[in-house]
Amino acid sequence: NAGVTQTPKFRVLKTGQSMTLLCAQDMNHEYMYWYRQDPGMGLRLIHYSVGEGTTAKGEVPDGYNVSRLKKQNFLLGLESAAPSQTSVYFCASSTSGTGRQPQHFGDGTRLSIL
Amino acid sequence: GESVGLHLPTLSVQEGDNSIINCAYSNSASDYFIWYKQESGKGPQFIIDIRSNMDKRQGQRVTVLLNKTVKHLSLQIAATQPGDSAVYFCAENMARDTGRRALTFGSGTRLQVQP
Repeated sequence: NAGVTQTPKFRVLKTGQSMTLLCAQDMNHEYMYWYRQDPGMGLRLIHYSVGEGTTAKGEVPDGYNVSRLKKQNFLLGLESAAPSQTSVYFCASSTSGTGRQPQHFGDGTRLSIL
Repeated sequence: GESVGLHLPTLSVQEGDNSIINCAYSNSASDYFIWYKQESGKGPQFIIDIRSNMDKRQGQRVTVLLNKTVKHLSLQIAATQPGDSAVYFCAENMARDTGRRALTFGSGTRLQVQP
């Protein structure tokens, strides 16, 4: 049981390039989340999904897009990367979205935009 | 806006001592709280949670205390070990404008265990 797996683990991009971060979970969780973590700050929610085929905006959605074509996968896309998007990105999943269940996290993708 | 906060950014303890990490919250409507541990280069790892209808909950070597009167949450780690060195986050489930609850995370406290 791998839990939540994120790929890639590291990536360096040039300003303006695009890329997709992949998150996969094998726990059959309905809810999935993308966060970013910046130095000295807590996790900030980018987008989330309440089930296959659904997505919704979080606190800091600008510059990102997401898709949830399969229940187990949640993709985060950067169409035109900017230096301000340099961060560590974490994916999480949970059994419900009531906010009364723990979220389970992957080990992150460290993204640098030059 | 209301947010979760932490009193101490860094806590240094001796191996074998007990550790107490504190968290203040200001949203009285939050009814669920979680503590996470994050080691360097890793994602947050769930430690323990507590619902607002409880004052205390114990796990293996960890205890979470909730004081709703002063809106305070603490994580106690017994017999702290070098492997406990990490950043610890608390989170609360705040209700959003949409009415849906979502976890809001504090900025973290770094626990350093001295041998």
